[in-house]
Amino acid sequence: DAKTTQPPSMDCAEGRAANLPCNHSTISGNEYVYWYRQIHSQGPQYIIHGLKNNETNEMASLIITEDRKSSTLILPHATLRDTAVYYCIVRAHRDDKIIFGKGTRLHILP
Amino acid sequence: DGGITQSPKYLFRKEGQNVTLSCEQNLNHDAMYWYRQDPGQGLRLIYYSQIVNDFQKGDIAEGYSVSREKKESFPLTVTSAQKNPTAFYLCASSMRGSGANVLTFGAGSRLTVL
Repeated sequence: DAKTTQPPSMDCAEGRAANLPCNHSTISGNEYVYWYRQIHSQGPQYIIHGLKNNETNEMASLIITEDRKSSTLILPHATLRDTAVYYCIVRAHRDDKIIFGKGTRLHILP
Repeated sequence: DGGITQSPKYLFRKEGQNVTLSCEQNLNHDAMYWYRQDPGQGLRLIYYSQIVNDFQKGDIAEGYSVSREKKESFPLTVTSAQKNPTAFYLCASSMRGSGANVLTFGAGSRLTVL
């Protein structure tokens, strides 16, 4: 089973920040949080990852709670091209059995 | 450019036939993976391999087989024993070792059983 829980779908207005939550209450100390997204009929694309600290790159920001039991992916200015399914997974660096959940389907509304 | 190449992109097969999906990577990654995706669903792990000549079953391995004779190649055979093979198949690879290891995915192969 997946180690993460995400809402099945979310809406966000174009130009606003999209905040996608992920619950990973059983995360262990050596597991990273990764986010990927999948645009329709394509292979998933890596977005960002983090261990303890908040992270930011050109695509998004990742906020991890202090107890590490949940995280939020933030797309600061959502566009129609951000419409996709977003997957949150946890993985230790030696963990090769990588399980995906069903992700969150993000709809960007014009 | 480095990446993962899956072929064919689209494949049609008659019931009772085996079919092999190709996955090749030039990223020098150690680990490779096969996932299956059904419409509106997430990714389910079929098989994965950490090193050459070794692989492990994922959650839905029945009716599938793999080989890992070369580091860069991890073909998936969908056998006639797979009862519902029509799906989108995704191959991925990753480094192994300390720190974070990002998965890189191919573009996918869509198999339709007629």
